Amino acid sequence: ELKVEQNPLFLSMQEGKNYTIYCNYSTTSDRLYWYRQDPGKSLESLFVLLSNGAVKQEGRLMASLDTKARLSTLHITAAVHDLSATYFCAVGDLGNEKLTFGTGTRLTIIP
Amino acid sequence: NAGVTQTPKFRILKIGQSMTLQCAQDMNHNYMYWYRQDPGMGLKLIYYSVGAGITDKGEVPNGYNVSRSTTEDFPLRLELAAPSQTSVYFCASRPWGWPYEQYFGPGTRLTVT
Repeated sequence: ELKVEQNPLFLSMQEGKNYTIYCNYSTTSDRLYWYRQDPGKSLESLFVLLSNGAVKQEGRLMASLDTKARLSTLHITAAVHDLSATYFCAVGDLGNEKLTFGTGTRLTIIP
Repeated sequence: NAGVTQTPKFRILKIGQSMTLQCAQDMNHNYMYWYRQDPGMGLKLIYYSVGAGITDKGEVPNGYNVSRSTTEDFPLRLELAAPSQTSVYFCASRPWGWPYEQYFGPGTRLTVT
């Protein structure tokens, strides 16, 4: 059974600082997704990572994937208040249609 | 395109009542999914469908039923609502083919009291 763990679960950081969110998963997968969720809102797709060593960047966010370590990271550079949200990783179950979600990281950026 | 739409946005049910959560998509996606999100948690898969007439159970199907008579619609039925079904329900869809990215609806917030 595929298990996905994110850490930290809560992160409070000052504007301008850098930090990393980690997503570990338990079995081989061929795809990993990062989503953002604002309070009371739906999930917004951020990144799709499909191969070992994949790196994608959008603004102050950068995601990477290490399939051998079964680890993805979401790095935040010079955080700004607008990045406050909950971030989820989701891992595709190899050979079927399902995604397994992590429990999310609630990120709060403090001015 | 409207994308994935869900109705209602909010609903309060009494214990033992039944209701149907509606989900529709106008992107001609084959795959559709129902998730629930409990407070402070990630999403858990309830049911999914790979096309009209084909559905399968996810991780937490008990207390729910689905049907898929058309490509566009994927309603979720709650029979005999229980407080444990208080949650936010998200519907998602995706097209056939790689990279299997799912697109989410706005959600339905359900309270059972």
